Amino acid sequence: EDQVTQSPEALRLQEGESSSLNCSYTVSGLRGLFWYRQDPGKGPEFLFTLYSAGEEKEKERLKATLTKKESFLHITAPKPEDSATYLCAVQARYNTDKLIFGTGTRLQVFP
Amino acid sequence: KAGVTQTPRYLIKTRGQQVTLSCSPISGHRSVSWYQQTPGQGLQFLFEYFSETQRNKGNFPGRFSGRQFSNSRSEMNVSTLELGDSALYLCASSSGLGVIHNEQFFGPGTRLTVL
Repeated sequence: EDQVTQSPEALRLQEGESSSLNCSYTVSGLRGLFWYRQDPGKGPEFLFTLYSAGEEKEKERLKATLTKKESFLHITAPKPEDSATYLCAVQARYNTDKLIFGTGTRLQVFP
Repeated sequence: KAGVTQTPRYLIKTRGQQVTLSCSPISGHRSVSWYQQTPGQGLQFLFEYFSETQRNKGNFPGRFSGRQFSNSRSEMNVSTLELGDSALYLCASSSGLGVIHNEQFFGPGTRLTVL
């Protein structure tokens, strides 16, 4: 069964304290892995798509990487405005119609 | 380019009632997917429509149904509401079939509360 597991469930960081979020996946043929950011009461905001092992993408303080079993979202020198829930989702080759989501990592960055 | 819009943003209903939610995708997008988000289960796939046809369905009871119109706008209906249907209902649009980079973009959601 296709599955996505994110860790940790929650993460508290001091402003400027870099860290990484993990997304482990099991899927029958990965078509793409997606990272989203979700603020309370809002819909997920698209961040990155990764398609093959070894691929990396960056946006401001965020960098996403992909291996054959997991993806990492690295946050460098975070700021309070980076506080949000970060969601990981996979799209299978056999079924590109839907995304299979993890339960997310709730990040809080304190000044 | 305008994003995905969903109406209404908030709804309060009582058990046994039915509800209809609406989603307008990004202009040019022909695929619309619906997800239910709850604190315990996270985001779960409901169904996906492309060119007015349901192409895929998640593991939800038949009380949950949807449709898509010729302009790609989609509606989702939930009949005989139960307390457990309280959730944030999210709509996502994408370019759809045959597109290599088939990213999905989400709307702000409709917060449904069932009393």
